[in-house]
Amino acid sequence: QVTLRESGPALVKATQTLTLTCTFSGFSLTTSGLSVSWIRQPPGKALEWLARIDWEDDKYYSTSLETRLTISKDTSKNQVVLMMTNMDSTDTATYFCARTRFTRLLEGPFDFWGQGTKVAVSS
Amino acid sequence: SYVLTQPPSVSVAPGQTARITCGANDIRSKSVHWYQQKPGQAPVLVVYDDTDRPSGIPERFSGSNSGDTATLSISRVEAGDEADYFCQVWDINGGPVIFGGGTKLTVL
Repeated sequence: QVTLRESGPALVKATQTLTLTCTFSGFSLTTSGLSVSWIRQPPGKALEWLARIDWEDDKYYSTSLETRLTISKDTSKNQVVLMMTNMDSTDTATYFCARTRFTRLLEGPFDFWGQGTKVAVSS
Repeated sequence: SYVLTQPPSVSVAPGQTARITCGANDIRSKSVHWYQQKPGQAPVLVVYDDTDRPSGIPERFSGSNSGDTATLSISRVEAGDEADYFCQVWDINGGPVIFGGGTKLTVL
């Protein structure tokens, strides 16, 4: 079955770079029509999409955060890595990774999610 | 930028039908997905591509999309349906992935 699991530091200092890893099983990111995204949720707030990497290695970023984000994949390890630079207290959130199976050109729902990892930013 | 507007809260009595809306300009031209999120848990996909249900999701959950409003309907509401619900679309010229602000469903 499909599973995703996020890992990374629970606490980072302001101005540091956050590196998160999504390790998945039950599918391969070499399969056509699949992608993995990162999504975050500040405490008590809405979901915010951050970035996506597709099976062909195409990458998409949130227009408001793209200068701070880098997404990459290691298909041999079944992992997707997100780096976010210059962390700030407003980046305190639970970070999720999620799979998309395309149902239309370039898009589809997030059909499987990890449980999320909480990240706090200290000053 | 493209904005999805949801009511902050919806309340419904058990056994009744809850309707949660997601409003945006010409949303009918987009494919809308809906997620249920219970406290402390990851979101779960309940409706995708406006009207389709993933396997394992009860038939009580249904979706529609017309004009400027997409709607998630939950019939015969149960206490276990109490959760936050988020709509989501893909807009290549926008986010490109956009979530609504979420609606808290309360079962009275």
